Amino acid sequence: KQEVTQIPAALSVPEGENLVLNCSFTDSAIYNLQWFRQDPGKGLTSLLLIQSSQREQTSGRLNASLDKSSGRSTLYIAASQPGDSATYLCAVKRHRDDKIIFGKGTRLHILP
Amino acid sequence: EAQVTQNPRYLITVTGKKLTVTCSQNMNHEYMSWYRQDPGLGLRQIYYSMNVEVTDKGDVPEGYKVSRKEKRNFPLILESPSPNQTSLYFCASSLFTGRGETQYFGPGTRLLVL
Repeated sequence: KQEVTQIPAALSVPEGENLVLNCSFTDSAIYNLQWFRQDPGKGLTSLLLIQSSQREQTSGRLNASLDKSSGRSTLYIAASQPGDSATYLCAVKRHRDDKIIFGKGTRLHILP
Repeated sequence: EAQVTQNPRYLITVTGKKLTVTCSQNMNHEYMSWYRQDPGLGLRQIYYSMNVEVTDKGDVPEGYKVSRKEKRNFPLILESPSPNQTSLYFCASSLFTGRGETQYFGPGTRLLVL
């Protein structure tokens, strides 16, 4: 059974720091991995999508990497800002049945 | 504007009273999903559909029904709601190319079953 784990569950860092969020998954037979952002009481916003054949994707201050063989992905946020405070979720799309499995998220707080 | 809409956004009901939450997308997406989000459990897929008249169970389908008669709509039906179905529900859609594309989420429906 595919399990997706995000560590840490919560993180507080001072503004301006670079940080890394981790996502691990047990079954490497995936189509893709997607990182989302969720603000309190709101829906999910897609940040980056990495296809299984890709190693990384970048968007502005965000960089996501994928190591399918080891079942790991990281989301790197450069020069963090208070507006980055949110919950970050990763999700994988399973190859054999197209199901999507989410991690429980990392709650990020950037201290001004 | 490309979007996924859900209605209602908030709903309070009583045990056993059938309800439907609608979901509609205007992006001509094939793949649509329903999720529930609960504290400590995260987002879990309830049902998904890869195209019209094709639906499959996700990880937590018990107590829910769906239908996909039109490409743009994917309603979630609770035939006999129970208090353990109190949750935040999200609908999502994406293209379906066989490899998966970016998912777009609706704003969520907060359901309370008394």
